[in-house]
Amino acid sequence: QKEVEQNSGPLSVPEGAIASLNCTYSDRVSQSFFWYRQYSGKSPELIMSIYSNGDKEDGRFTAQLNKASQYVSLLIRDSQPSDSATYLCAVKTRGSTLGRLYFGRGTQLTVWP
Amino acid sequence: DAGVTQSPTHLIKTRGQQVTLRCSPKSGHDTVSWYQQALGQGPQFIFQYYEEEERQRGNFPDRFSGHQFPNYSSELNVNALLLGDSALYLCASSHRGVNTGELFFGEGSRLTVL
Repeated sequence: QKEVEQNSGPLSVPEGAIASLNCTYSDRVSQSFFWYRQYSGKSPELIMSIYSNGDKEDGRFTAQLNKASQYVSLLIRDSQPSDSATYLCAVKTRGSTLGRLYFGRGTQLTVWP
Repeated sequence: DAGVTQSPTHLIKTRGQQVTLRCSPKSGHDTVSWYQQALGQGPQFIFQYYEEEERQRGNFPDRFSGHQFPNYSSELNVNALLLGDSALYLCASSHRGVNTGELFFGEGSRLTVL
């Protein structure tokens, strides 16, 4: 059973703060890692993907991957109220296609003004 | 360029009934994956279709079946509906030959079983 666990939340941060979202996964052959943002009642949208150990930065977002610890995180700098959403961690294992992802249950983030 | 489109957006059924959900993939994509997202949970993989055949399946009973048409669009059928089938059903599209990048999701079909 491939499991993806996320910190339970909900997470509440003030505007301008750094929000830190964490995710662990059980399958060591996991290959690709994704963070999706999902607004209430909407579909998930990809905000970051990361494939190798280390950090990957895109604007205010930084994804961090540590395959030895089976851990992936997402930092959101200068958080804005528009960042309030549920963040889903997703994993693709080696040998599976892009269409088959394993998702965590999500962490709900609220950014208050 | 139209993204992934799904229909209907909302529907209400009663226990024991059957439902069909439809999905058109993003232009240029040939692979359709279906996910079930219960309230407060992450999406769970149901199955994937390409070349009009089911290629991978998650841990869902046979009551869940699907189909893919020559134009790559797809249907998800659920028979003998249970209360627990109430969820957001998401369709995602990709290209079979691409194993990295973005999986594109439709807006979903919200099914309520009474």
